[in-house]
Amino acid sequence: SQQGEEDPQALSIQEGENATMNCSYKTSINNLQWYRQNSGRGLVHLILIRSNEREKHSGRLRVTLDTSKKSSSLLITASRAADTASYFCATDADTGRRALTFGSGTRLQVQP
Amino acid sequence: EPEVTQTPSHQVTQMGQEVILRCVPISNHLYFYWYRQILGQKVEFLVSFYNNEISEKSEIFDDQFSVERPDGSNFTLKIRSTKLEDSAMYFCASGQGHQETQYFGPGTRLLVL
Repeated sequence: SQQGEEDPQALSIQEGENATMNCSYKTSINNLQWYRQNSGRGLVHLILIRSNEREKHSGRLRVTLDTSKKSSSLLITASRAADTASYFCATDADTGRRALTFGSGTRLQVQP
Repeated sequence: EPEVTQTPSHQVTQMGQEVILRCVPISNHLYFYWYRQILGQKVEFLVSFYNNEISEKSEIFDDQFSVERPDGSNFTLKIRSTKLEDSAMYFCASGQGHQETQYFGPGTRLLVL
């Protein structure tokens, strides 16, 4: 898979359920960032987790990072219809580059 | 809360025409970026800008593209002679430092006919 690949590609759940999205990457990273994108709109930053961190929380969001497996997960607890969006992970590679490399995203549909 | 702004939100142009996309980054940020997202595809990096010069660019960012920070607030992306394949959503982003959060603007949807 390419740097920053999410799975599943699509996820449909009921309101109130938890949603888990995973991201895998290939190179060493400085940090990994999760973004949300509502259909055709801008990218909203959710959380940045650094390579020396294992878990971060922000409200109903929980992000984990396992650098040994080169993977991250985003958990949204008690989902709401308003959480319906595409979620992307983006890696800041430990190569001196400043570019973020985005995955293809997970399309989350939360049914009311 | 400060945010990145972009204008216009939509732009339609004819192939071969020049377009300028404008961005106002968050005021105390030092690093500026342009990305694009072709419909249905990944967000792709174009260029980063720091200390009034390009610090990195991708292979997409060829001679048809240029960036400028003409004053203390605006950051622009110019496409000199647009092609059909330049149709995409263009995002500006800014950050306080290297390896810090990049905050994205709402995007400019460019359609080249």
